[in-house]
Amino acid sequence: SQTIHQWPATLVQPVGSPLSLECTVEGTSNPNLYWYRQAAGRGLQLLFYSVGIGQISSEVPQNLSASRPQDWQFILSSKKLLLSDSGFYLCAWSQGHGELFFGEGSRLTVL
Amino acid sequence: AQKITQTQPGMFVQEKEAVTLDCTYDTSDPSYGLFWYKQPSSGEMIFLIYQGSYDQQNATEGRYSLNFQKARKSANLVISASQLGDSAMYFCAMREANTGGFKTIFGAGTRLFVKA
Repeated sequence: SQTIHQWPATLVQPVGSPLSLECTVEGTSNPNLYWYRQAAGRGLQLLFYSVGIGQISSEVPQNLSASRPQDWQFILSSKKLLLSDSGFYLCAWSQGHGELFFGEGSRLTVL
Repeated sequence: AQKITQTQPGMFVQEKEAVTLDCTYDTSDPSYGLFWYKQPSSGEMIFLIYQGSYDQQNATEGRYSLNFQKARKSANLVISASQLGDSAMYFCAMREANTGGFKTIFGAGTRLFVKA
């Protein structure tokens, strides 16, 4: 069966510090991968999606970036965090046009 | 541009009763998919039900059904026989075929409270 994991689950970072969130998917090949951000009490905003290794599409211009070094690995990064980067980050995968399967989420607080 | 609207920030329902959560969407693409997800307080997102734009029948999954009215561009979720465990945030989402089928956008969500 397929599984998706993301970490860390929670982190508190100072403004201007770097960020790295990692997501891995097991049990499926060539999945579409996604990073979403959810502000408190709000809906999900699509940040990045990837249809293959090294292929990244950005939806929102910002100080975040994403990379997909392996078929099963999706990384969200920032060189310098802003206060507005605080939120709940969700990684997800899908096969083709199917439904999204989400990870457990990473709650980021930037102080 | 594609858009999803959920106009009910919060809803209350008595246990064992049915409840309808509203969702309207806007798209110019004739081919699209509509989804509903549940987010409990733990934060995980759980897929509930899917409706394709060309599906003739309304989708059903157990106690969940989707009231799809294509001309009105609405895709309301109906939960029958509500249970206390149904208390959660519910998100309507849409994926258009002309984006390569890879982008799913979400509404702002509706928080459902089930009363004992």
